[in-house]
Amino acid sequence: GAGVSQSPSNKVTEKGKDVELRCDPISGHTALYWYRQSLGQGLEFLIYFQGNSAPDKSGLPSDRFSAERTGGSVSTLTIQRTQQEDSAVYLCASSLALAGWTDTQYFGPGTRLTVL
Amino acid sequence: AQKITQTQPGMFVQEKEAVTLDCTYDTSDQSYGLFWYKQPSSGEMIFLIYQGSYDEQNATEGRYSLNFQKARKSANLVISASQLGDSAMYFCAMNNFNKFYFGSGTKLNVKP
Repeated sequence: GAGVSQSPSNKVTEKGKDVELRCDPISGHTALYWYRQSLGQGLEFLIYFQGNSAPDKSGLPSDRFSAERTGGSVSTLTIQRTQQEDSAVYLCASSLALAGWTDTQYFGPGTRLTVL
Repeated sequence: AQKITQTQPGMFVQEKEAVTLDCTYDTSDQSYGLFWYKQPSSGEMIFLIYQGSYDEQNATEGRYSLNFQKARKSANLVISASQLGDSAMYFCAMNNFNKFYFGSGTKLNVKP
């Protein structure tokens, strides 16, 4: 079946503009995660959605970052008033979230954001 | 506190040889899952192998095996018969009740 998809694959924007990044998880996956990966670095957790529960926003770096998930499926990560330090690859992942620790995350191809 | 530690920023291995990538983890929970992901230069994160904390046998997937030593809290990835296409970043991760923690990664270079 289809994997996790993300759009756009690349986004170049000017400092101060808002951007929206989209993630479409694997069908049936109830958990959805956003991560940020700066060049040559590891993954930085941003936000986690699980079903109808309140999202875990503990990783969002500032109030310029927000995310929503509509209908328990597609998610949008919004960055307002972008800064150059926001330049990174934004990865989305999803999992079934049926049995806690046994669930595997599957990742999308990422969105490469460049803020000029 | 850091949950996942990968102490090898970079590794070299000769083609066709085996290589071990180290990973240690920290949790006080009894139930957790351990994962390895491969990230080639193209950027996608590819799931390789999973080990549950209650699994008594080490996980294997083709040329990948996970050397799970629960008492030492280590989950090393062993790649047998390395291939040039194995050159990539490798991340160890832990699932602690749907919160995933990732290590800083190991960059593996396979030499011809």
